[in-house]
Amino acid sequence: DIQMTQTPSSMPASLGERVTISCRASQGISNYLNWYQQKPDGTIKPLIYYTSNLQSGVPSRFSGSGSGTDYSLTISSLEPEDFAMYYCQQYDSSPNTFGAGTKLELK
Amino acid sequence: QVTLKESGTGILQPSQALSLTCSFSGFSLSTTGICVSWIRQPSGKGLEWLADICWDDGKGYNPSLKNRLSISKDTSNNQAFLKITSVDTADTATYYCARLNIGTTDFDYWGQGVMVTVSS
Repeated sequence: DIQMTQTPSSMPASLGERVTISCRASQGISNYLNWYQQKPDGTIKPLIYYTSNLQSGVPSRFSGSGSGTDYSLTISSLEPEDFAMYYCQQYDSSPNTFGAGTKLELK
Repeated sequence: QVTLKESGTGILQPSQALSLTCSFSGFSLSTTGICVSWIRQPSGKGLEWLADICWDDGKGYNPSLKNRLSISKDTSNNQAFLKITSVDTADTATYYCARLNIGTTDFDYWGQGVMVTVSS
């Protein structure tokens, strides 16, 4: 199985701050990398698919980039509703696998 | 509007079988490129993909649980099902169903999840 390593595991940040979450795959995944947001009530929302494509309705402050084994999610200016858990997921190889998550916390 | 909702046995004893139902609306499991997947999350932990079933009746299973999983669908009633046999405490988790869009290769809609507890 492809292992997905997310860093950091938690990140204190302030409103308006620019933050970047990283995700590294144990082998190349050909840009088949997705990002999801999970709120404390368990609700999961898709954010980005195939490295850099925003899902419908996702604000433009979210962006994704990367290639090969290294990928990142950037939020350009944090809004109150962005404080949540974030997970990356690879879909290049079965079984698809998720990172362990990054908790974005209010500083 | 796409919605998915999970239902199933809330509390089980070890060795019993877990049956889960995903009832969905706003799309059809007969549409090319559409699948329904099951993903679970133990409390405080990460997400684990379990299984998919697709428009062409193709199925995929996580090898770590493959012998214990069975996925099926009722296309006319917009439902997908997952059965896990011989559960133990490690199967305690919130179980989500999600729509898998082969075109975007991501889970583009998720249910709210259903909590399952395995305890003696």
